Amino acid sequence: RKEVEQDPGPFNVPEGATVAFNCTYSNSASQSFFWYRQDCRKEPKLLMSVYSSGNEDGRFTAQLNRASQYISLLIRDSKLSDSATYLCVVNRASGGGADGLTFGKGTHLIIQP
Amino acid sequence: ETGVTQTPRHLVMGMTNKKSLKCEQHLGHNAMYWYKQSAKKPLELMFVYNFKEQTENNSVPSRFSPECPNSSHLFLHLHTLQPEDSALYLCASSQDHSNTEAFFGQGTRLTVV
Repeated sequence: RKEVEQDPGPFNVPEGATVAFNCTYSNSASQSFFWYRQDCRKEPKLLMSVYSSGNEDGRFTAQLNRASQYISLLIRDSKLSDSATYLCVVNRASGGGADGLTFGKGTHLIIQP
Repeated sequence: ETGVTQTPRHLVMGMTNKKSLKCEQHLGHNAMYWYKQSAKKPLELMFVYNFKEQTENNSVPSRFSPECPNSSHLFLHLHTLQPEDSALYLCASSQDHSNTEAFFGQGTRLTVV
């Protein structure tokens, strides 16, 4: 099983629609989870952290299911500017600490007018 | 604007050349990282430095040699690279090397000819 697995897409979604991405991770000892966004030929940027209780930031909602080792991202009322690659990111817990982050391949989202 | 600056932004080098990539962070962070992003592959962690000490070498070939003179600067020295080393090399920093988010530089797009 890959460390962090995502559906690469592309997801073609009409503007205004709701879209959800899922991600699974293999290391049950992982402690921190993030969604990053990467635009074409740009660096990844943090979109939001993912907490066990779930968290919401405007149109974006992130959920974590530790039992199933599953993370999700929901985007409501999608905008053209949401078109990007969304990276699921998990910390590399090892031994007593964590060193660096493990990235999924990313899910490519295209919002169509 | 990102607090992590990388130079150069683009680099073309021959297989016999020696070059260095530079990264500087202005965020007061204690951990710095080198990642490699190849086409159609997830970001791969290469090296981790925490308080100037290398804490991770993710099985990277010796033709890549990192240097961290202080907590704000990170270099990646390159020599006798192969064409398959062509990729986007991203530097990142975080407050520490545990469960905190990472901030990325804009990357150096390297082409080995």
